[in-house]
Amino acid sequence: NAGVTQTPKFQVLKTGQSMTLQCAQDMNHEYMSWYRQDPGMGLRLIHYSVGAGITDQGEVPNGYNVSRSTTEDFPLRLLSAAPSQTSVYFCASSYRTENTEAFFGQGTRLTVV
Amino acid sequence: DQQVKQNSPSLSVQEGRISILNCDYTNSMFDYFLWYKKYPAEGPTFLISISSIKDKNEDGRFTVFLNKSAKHLSLHIVPSQPGDSAVYFCAAKGTYKYIFGTGTRLKVLA
Repeated sequence: NAGVTQTPKFQVLKTGQSMTLQCAQDMNHEYMSWYRQDPGMGLRLIHYSVGAGITDQGEVPNGYNVSRSTTEDFPLRLLSAAPSQTSVYFCASSYRTENTEAFFGQGTRLTVV
Repeated sequence: DQQVKQNSPSLSVQEGRISILNCDYTNSMFDYFLWYKKYPAEGPTFLISISSIKDKNEDGRFTVFLNKSAKHLSLHIVPSQPGDSAVYFCAAKGTYKYIFGTGTRLKVLA
């Protein structure tokens, strides 16, 4: 059981470039989400999905796009990278049932220069 | 508008003593709370949780206390060990999503 898998682990982008951060889970979880972690800011929710075909914005969605075509995959797209998007990105998944925990991937460290 | 707050960015404790990490929340509709532990270069891992129908939950050296009237929860680690040194995040489960605090960096001194 791989759990939540994120690729790549590290990435350097130039300002204005686009890229996709991949996230896949093999636990058949309905809920998936993307967070970014910045010093002193904790984990802030970017986008989330409650099932295939359904996505919604979190706290800091600007500059990011998501889609959920399958239960397993939830990619995060940076449309035109900016230095303010330098961060560590975490994907998480969980069951839909109420009292349950989320499982996190290992993270993607992104630097935009 | 921070719905989950951890007001202590860092905490140092001697090995063997108790570590107490605190968390406050603003939304009285939250009914499930979690603590996560995060080591550098790893993803957060689930540690312990508590439902709002309880005021205490224990798992080995870790105990979480919930005070609903004060909208406050705390994580107690007894005894603290050097391997407990990590960043601890408090989280509340809202509708469809988890809302995290800013984290407390715990350092356990040998």
